[in-house]
Amino acid sequence: DIQMTQSPSSLSAHVGDSVTITCRASQNIGKYLNWYQQKPGRAPKLLIYAAFSLQSGVPSRFSGSGSGTDFTLTISSLRPEDFATYYCQQSHSTTYTFGQGTKLEIK
Amino acid sequence: QVQLEQSGAEVKKPGASVKISCKASGYTFGTYFLHWVRQAPGQGLEWMGKINPLSGSTSYPQWFQGRVTVTRDTSTSTVYMELSSLRSDDTAVYYCARERVEMAASNFFDYWGQGTLVTVSS
Repeated sequence: DIQMTQSPSSLSAHVGDSVTITCRASQNIGKYLNWYQQKPGRAPKLLIYAAFSLQSGVPSRFSGSGSGTDFTLTISSLRPEDFATYYCQQSHSTTYTFGQGTKLEIK
Repeated sequence: QVQLEQSGAEVKKPGASVKISCKASGYTFGTYFLHWVRQAPGQGLEWMGKINPLSGSTSYPQWFQGRVTVTRDTSTSTVYMELSSLRSDDTAVYYCARERVEMAASNFFDYWGQGTLVTVSS
């Protein structure tokens, strides 16, 4: 199975800051990498698919990059509603594994 | 609009089974695979399996093989997830999610159900 490792596991930042979350796959997954945002008590929400494609309706301050084994999610100009937990997910193999999550908190 | 409506919370005893439903609406049921993902309290997301609503074929991760069964009823556009031999660490919120394939190298979960809390306790 493909293992997905996110870092950091938690992160604190100010409104207006830019932050980057990384996700590493245990083997080459091409661009089969998706990012989700989850707020407490809510289902995950798709932000980015295929490593860098922005889901419809998602603000452009969210961006993704990478291919192969190393990927990043960048959120620029943080807004209060961006403080949540973020998960990466690989869809290269038929076992759709997720990263362990990165909790983004307000500083 | 696309909706995935899940059944309500369940409380089960260890060793029992639970069956959760996910009713799809707002799109052609057979067009998209449906998946199940769970989240234990304070933990991350864990993929449990998927079904092709058209053919009924399923796929499960090795760690759930033999304990999880995903089925569908095309007459009601509903998928079901049954988990057997429940243990306390099966206590979690269970989500259904729709898989979309955007292009040749991209598949992802674009719609999710609201989640169903299953509590396993003696």
